[in-house]
Amino acid sequence: GAVVSQHPSRVICKSGTSVKIECRSLDFQATTMFWYRQFPKQSLMLMATSNEGSKATYEQGVEKDKFLINHASLTLSTLTVTSAHPEDSSFYICSARDRGVKETQYFGPGTRLLVL
Amino acid sequence: KNEVEQSPQNLTAQEGEFITINCSYSVGISALHWLQQHPGGGIVSLFMLSSGKKKHGRLIATINIQEKHSSLHITASHPRDSAVYICAVGDISSGDKLTFGTGTRLAVRP
Repeated sequence: GAVVSQHPSRVICKSGTSVKIECRSLDFQATTMFWYRQFPKQSLMLMATSNEGSKATYEQGVEKDKFLINHASLTLSTLTVTSAHPEDSSFYICSARDRGVKETQYFGPGTRLLVL
Repeated sequence: KNEVEQSPQNLTAQEGEFITINCSYSVGISALHWLQQHPGGGIVSLFMLSSGKKKHGRLIATINIQEKHSSLHITASHPRDSAVYICAVGDISSGDKLTFGTGTRLAVRP
């Protein structure tokens, strides 16, 4: 089946630093990737929709200058948390839509970010 | 915006029991997803369905479009089924964006 990977799986960083998270579709082309955030005991919340070759669309309340998204190829999207603060500590999950399969989303394993 | 409700929120079962988790949504959808999230956080897609019924191993998912309701069944439950099960719907008006339920936390005791 379709596989989506994320790297790193876990990261600890100091407050004020930037962290980049990669999301890759391993065996299919993903025209659209989604970035989610999940706080403890809460549901996933969509942060932004990333389309290959164009600017990401951010959900209301998500700062585009803080969460930089780049979707430079059909198999890779990156999320950079800039000037991270402790309140950014969360579980970040990406999903990818196979360009050939309507309405399907394949989820990555997630990245746990802890900002000290 | 679609509202997605799951029940129960928490469920404890004995190994071998038949388990049902329910999901209701409020507006028309393009597809409904059932996801499994283990304690480590990683999410696995179990089913995507827009009508009828799907079966994979001990898991069965059904959807009733008219009643805006879906169920996930686990037969012969096992401790390794312990996880959070999440229902997510993509509604027609928002394209591929998913709205997630709050999840059902399942614990299966040996």
